[in-house]
Amino acid sequence: QSVLTQPASVSGSPGQSITISCTGTNSDVGAYPYVSWYQQLPDTAPKLIIYDVSRRPSGVSSRFSGSKSGNTASLTVSGLQSEDEGHYYCMSYIGYNLLGVFGGGTRLTVL
Amino acid sequence: EVQLVQSGPEMRKPGDSLKIFCKTSGYYFPTSWIVWLRQKPGKGLEWMANVYPADSDTRYNTIEGGQFTVSADKSTDTAFLQWDRLAASDSATYYCARLGSGTTFWLDPWGQGTPVTVSS
Repeated sequence: QSVLTQPASVSGSPGQSITISCTGTNSDVGAYPYVSWYQQLPDTAPKLIIYDVSRRPSGVSSRFSGSKSGNTASLTVSGLQSEDEGHYYCMSYIGYNLLGVFGGGTRLTVL
Repeated sequence: EVQLVQSGPEMRKPGDSLKIFCKTSGYYFPTSWIVWLRQKPGKGLEWMANVYPADSDTRYNTIEGGQFTVSADKSTDTAFLQWDRLAASDSATYYCARLGSGTTFWLDPWGQGTPVTVSS
C-alpha cells in the first residue's frame, strides 16, 4: 500500500493555528473512520494525539483537533506553542489484516 | 498505567542475528495486539507486523527488506522482534506499540524505541 500524503513542513507563529492535511484513497482514509495522528517531538517516541478521526485521548490538549472529508484527513493545532515543534504523522487502517499505513510526516515549526 | 519498555541499543554486523524485546505492564497482555514499527534515520514510520499474544497469531506487512519474525510470550508479558541475518539496511529505530482495535484503530502507548545499528 502507498504512504499517505502529507506536506513536508508547515509553520506558524505562537498563538496562530495551523492545519496539516493527510490524503489517502477510498481504500484507506476514505473507507474507514480510523484515522489517527501522532506527535513525535525531537528524540522521543511518537505519541497518540487524535484517534478515530476526531477523538482526543485523555490528557491531550484541546488545542489539537481532527477532521475528515472524503479521502483527506486534517489535524488542526490552535494556539501554537513552541513546545508543539516536532513531526506529526497520520495513520489509517488499510482494511485488512489489522494493518495500518502512515503518512510521510510533517515537520511543524513554530516561528 | 499501561507501559511498554523496550530493550536497549544494539550494534551488530551484517549477517548477525538479533532479538529485541518489548516488556509490557498495566493491562491484560494476551488480548491486545502488539505492533512493531520501523523508523530509519531521518525518515518516517513504517508498519512492520502485528502479534496477538493469546494465540501467537501474526500479521506481516510488506516492507522493504522484510526478513524478520515477531512473537510473544504470555508468561512474561513480552513481545519480540527478531532477525536471523541482519543487513545494513536494517539499521533503524524500532518501536513497539499496543494496538487498539475492534470498533477503533490506534497505537498507544509506544515503547521508547530500540536503535539498531548494522555495520561492518
